[in-house]
Amino acid sequence: QVQLVESGGDVVQPGTSLSLSCAASGFTFRSYGTHWVRQAPGKGLEWVAMISFDGTNKYYADSVKGRFTISRDNSKNRLYMQMNSLRVEDTAVYYCAKEVRPYSNSGNLDYWGQGTLVTVSS
Amino acid sequence: QSALTQPASVSGSPGQSITISCTGTSSDVGNYNFVSWYQQHPGKAPKLMTYEVNKRPSGVSNRFSGSKSGNTASLTISGLQADDEGYYYCCSLAGSNWVFGGGTKVTVL
Repeated sequence: QVQLVESGGDVVQPGTSLSLSCAASGFTFRSYGTHWVRQAPGKGLEWVAMISFDGTNKYYADSVKGRFTISRDNSKNRLYMQMNSLRVEDTAVYYCAKEVRPYSNSGNLDYWGQGTLVTVSS
Repeated sequence: QSALTQPASVSGSPGQSITISCTGTSSDVGNYNFVSWYQQHPGKAPKLMTYEVNKRPSGVSNRFSGSKSGNTASLTISGLQADDEGYYYCCSLAGSNWVFGGGTKVTVL
């Protein structure tokens, strides 16, 4: 069955860096675009970043552009998010999620991980 | 990248139908048929309920249906059940990014 498992969440200080990982299994990872979506405590969902199936196209929300970098390793079935210059407002549960259709950039996400909590606090 | 507009809350009695609206602009909802709806229960990951406006993933009840008119998308839940209680979010492609709605709390009375 399809599984997405995030890891790397931690408590960090403002201005520092953190790297998240998402391990995928149960589907042909290299054929699907994947996204990071976050949810601040008690708040709604916020789209963060997307990477195309082959890694050639990357898109970012304005709130993280220039600070976060999305990447993937299709040989390892893994999605990554490098987060630099972290701010208090980046505190959230970060989910990875896959596109419904292969080779698609629709934003229709049919499988989500359980999330990993990033807390930015001094 | 302004969030799509959803009502904060919608309620209904068991067996009734409710509709949640999701209003965007001609740059997102109005311009693409890539609108999806997600259900989220407390402490859980979101679950896809409809996608590409009106398609349902395998395993999702046909009580859930999506539609769109102009810049507004809608999710209708018919035959409301206790387990339908939770938060619902819409999402749309918006050019080279994606935008979610603020979320709607559905309460089954």
